[in-house]
Amino acid sequence: AQSVTQLDSHVSVSEGTPVLLRCNYSSSYSPSLFWYVQHPNKGLQLLLKYTSAATLVKGINGFEAEFKKSETSFHLTKPSAHMSDAAEYFCVVSARDTGRRALTFGSGTRLQVQP
Amino acid sequence: GAGVSQSPRYKVAKRGQDVALRCDPISGHVSLFWYQQALGQGPEFLTYFQNEAQLDKSGLPSDRFFAERPEGSVSTLKIQRTQQEDSAVYLCASSSPGTSGRAGGTDTQYFGPGTRLTVL
Repeated sequence: AQSVTQLDSHVSVSEGTPVLLRCNYSSSYSPSLFWYVQHPNKGLQLLLKYTSAATLVKGINGFEAEFKKSETSFHLTKPSAHMSDAAEYFCVVSARDTGRRALTFGSGTRLQVQP
Repeated sequence: GAGVSQSPRYKVAKRGQDVALRCDPISGHVSLFWYQQALGQGPEFLTYFQNEAQLDKSGLPSDRFFAERPEGSVSTLKIQRTQQEDSAVYLCASSSPGTSGRAGGTDTQYFGPGTRLTVL
């Protein structure tokens, strides 16, 4: 079984300040972990993914995430928020070694960026 | 080429009607997935195809939900006798085999814009 918990349903930051979106996972198998972003009326876009290589993963638009096995966490960060970052963010897990291909999504974190 | 496309983008149905939602995956992608996203929630897995074979349908909520991909490309999700709780955004995703060479490779799923279904 696998699951994802996004610890904050809403995060509000000021433009130019750091962003931290928190995610904890649970998986019986070696996980693959992803962050997706969803802008209003647009499809889900992959920001980054962890697949057992480097634990610090760099993604698009300046985002990065660190896989911490001891803490079962995969928090998403960005040094400086832009207005265009305002969107819904989903932490996602898949069970890499089972052959089961379904993604399990967290409930999402809505990021607001204040001017 | 183009990304994943879905049609229609919006569908309003009266309770009890049948609906059909279409997904055109990225050309050459052998894997196709359907997810259901209720308002304010994260997407939930419905079913998965590899080419024309439906390998996992564990997420389909009832026998009113049926999906097919007869030629291994376009897929249709059909919902019979729609009910109000079926109102959601239905997302389609496609992927190509990962490079890891192992079962359960970490290939990325690319999502379409979704079909918003409203059942009155």
